[in-house]
Amino acid sequence: GAVVSQHPSWVICKSGTSVKIECRSLDFQATTMFWYRQFPKQSLMLMATSNEGSKATYEQGVEKDKFLINHASLTLSTLTVTSAHPEDSSFYICSASFRSGGYTFGSGTRLTVV
Amino acid sequence: AQSVTQLDSHVSVSEGTPVLLRCNYSSSYSPSLFWYVQHPNKGLQLLLKYTSAATLVKGINGFEAEFKKSETSFHLTKPSAHMSDAAEYFCVVSAGTGRRALTFGSGTRLQVQP
Repeated sequence: GAVVSQHPSWVICKSGTSVKIECRSLDFQATTMFWYRQFPKQSLMLMATSNEGSKATYEQGVEKDKFLINHASLTLSTLTVTSAHPEDSSFYICSASFRSGGYTFGSGTRLTVV
Repeated sequence: AQSVTQLDSHVSVSEGTPVLLRCNYSSSYSPSLFWYVQHPNKGLQLLLKYTSAATLVKGINGFEAEFKKSETSFHLTKPSAHMSDAAEYFCVVSAGTGRRALTFGSGTRLQVQP
């Protein structure tokens, strides 16, 4: 089946630094990539939608200058959390949709900002 | 617009007894509906999906769900709970397939007692 490889699975960084999270689709082309955020014991909230080669569309309340999304190819999308602060600590998950329909999720990244 | 409501935030059952996780949806379009399971600090695993074919959908690990348009419901059931079923379950709706983002319910935590 379609697999999305998400790295890193967990990261601890100092406040003020930037962190990049990668999602790579294996053996298929991800036409669209979605980025979600999940706070402890809560549901997944959509942050942004990105299509290959175009700018990401951010949900209301999500700072596009803080959460930089790049979808340069059909197999790779990245989320960079810039100048991270403790309140950015969360579980981030990507999801790819593909031409034949359906969705597949990455395994998630646990970000802790200290 | 679309939304999904999971009626129970927490369900506790005994091992070997039936499981019922309730979900109601709202969608302006013919929806695609999914159930995902998430184990602690893990990504999401697809249990089953409905995409306008048979209304009774069978998924993995003995789970099934029935799409009832008249009730706008998509409840998840399993005849006999296993300890390994303890996890967080999300009911998810999408307006169509492919490029549209998924909308997640708030989640139901399933606890299985020995």
